[in-house]
Amino acid sequence: SQQGEEDPQALSIQEGENATMNCSYKTSINNLQWYRQNSGRGLVHLILIRSNEREKHSGRLRVTLDTSKKSSSLLITASRAADTASYFCATDVSGSARQLTFGSGTQLTVLP
Amino acid sequence: EAEVAQSPRYKITEKSQAVAFWCDPISGHATLYWYRQILGQGPELLVQFQDESVVDDSQLPKDRFSAERLKGVDSTLKIQPAELGDSAMYLCASSLGLAGEHIQYFGAGTRLSVL
Repeated sequence: SQQGEEDPQALSIQEGENATMNCSYKTSINNLQWYRQNSGRGLVHLILIRSNEREKHSGRLRVTLDTSKKSSSLLITASRAADTASYFCATDVSGSARQLTFGSGTQLTVLP
Repeated sequence: EAEVAQSPRYKITEKSQAVAFWCDPISGHATLYWYRQILGQGPELLVQFQDESVVDDSQLPKDRFSAERLKGVDSTLKIQPAELGDSAMYLCASSLGLAGEHIQYFGAGTRLSVL
């Protein structure tokens, strides 16, 4: 079963705009990760945020984590057409045997 | 840059036939995962190996699916017999297996179509 629920399921924006995706989860976590998947390809790790962190940046990516609400958000600033992909949150659940549980994903389309 | 290798990239088979997928993880990665991803959904874990041992195969339909990692390096996932509902992307991933902050590296996947 999938631990994370992502919102929205699909998002369409213009190039240059910011894209925000949200992820909610159910149980205590060690960390939360975001992955990207281009159509028909494997997933690529983007960023990891630990349970004791509230915000993290990497290039045009900004991730926040609210463990009290069991939610995270991924912000992509100044989006580009090449950012078009599916984005998944994945939770590293406390006590799990080094497993990740993936959400259902947000399909982002950036229009040129 | 090291990558997870998977083959074949695409496989079309008829139901009741046997299929096999191969994965070669990044060198030195002790943990290997097989996932199934249905279109429009996130990956779901089928089986996890630590070196040559199965750590978790609770979601593997063992009546038709089998997986092995005999020498603790590359791995094979087999389906016999294939059913229409097995059509999906099969993803292999590997990680160093370090506790607390493991990142998984994925192959490009095998797209299976069962006719």
